[in-house]
Amino acid sequence: GGIITQTPKFLIGQEGQKLTLKCQQNFNHDTMYWYRQDSGKGLRLIYYSITENDLQKGDLSEGYDASREKKSSFSLTVTSAQKNEMAVFLCASSFRGRRERLFFGHGTKLSVL
Amino acid sequence: GDSVTQTEGQVALSEEDFLTIHCNYSASGYPALFWYVQYPGEGPQFLFRASRDKEKGSSRGFEATYDKGTTSFHLRKASVQESDSAVYYCALGPDTNAYKVIFGKGTHLHVLP
Repeated sequence: GGIITQTPKFLIGQEGQKLTLKCQQNFNHDTMYWYRQDSGKGLRLIYYSITENDLQKGDLSEGYDASREKKSSFSLTVTSAQKNEMAVFLCASSFRGRRERLFFGHGTKLSVL
Repeated sequence: GDSVTQTEGQVALSEEDFLTIHCNYSASGYPALFWYVQYPGEGPQFLFRASRDKEKGSSRGFEATYDKGTTSFHLRKASVQESDSAVYYCALGPDTNAYKVIFGKGTHLHVLP
């Protein structure tokens, strides 16, 4: 089996700050995803990456950048944290995309003061 | 665009009750349909999937049947247990995009002993 590791587990930032979340997977999966989870709004897709060095925007990409440095890692940057923002960011990976199951990390919980 | 609708935000049942969580989708062609379950402090876990009309997916006593006519994939379980308390997400992988996976808003199931 494999695992997806998200760091940090908790992230506290200041308004306007640039914040980076990291994700590593050892499944050797091709496709990786970043989702944002808000209470009552479900999981919304921010970015996904089909393979190393590929980036695709999801429905919620504004205010975020992403980077797929290598096959096993996928980073997400909040370009300017919004005051009182609170959400959980979930990283996931899958073997070949839409018809395959996603494997999720445990999430990074973001709080902005 | 493609979307998933879960009508129940919260469901409260007693042990041994019958469960139905409704999921309807909007997408062209034959999207792949999924159910995921999320326990507190963890990321969502794959429950099962279906890829064609009338196909039934099942796992751990839960089941759902792909119905293209009514564009539905309702989750059912004959007898719930307290340990089934979790958030359940319906998701789709659109036919028109090989890698995008879209989630519903989730349904929080509370099972009382």
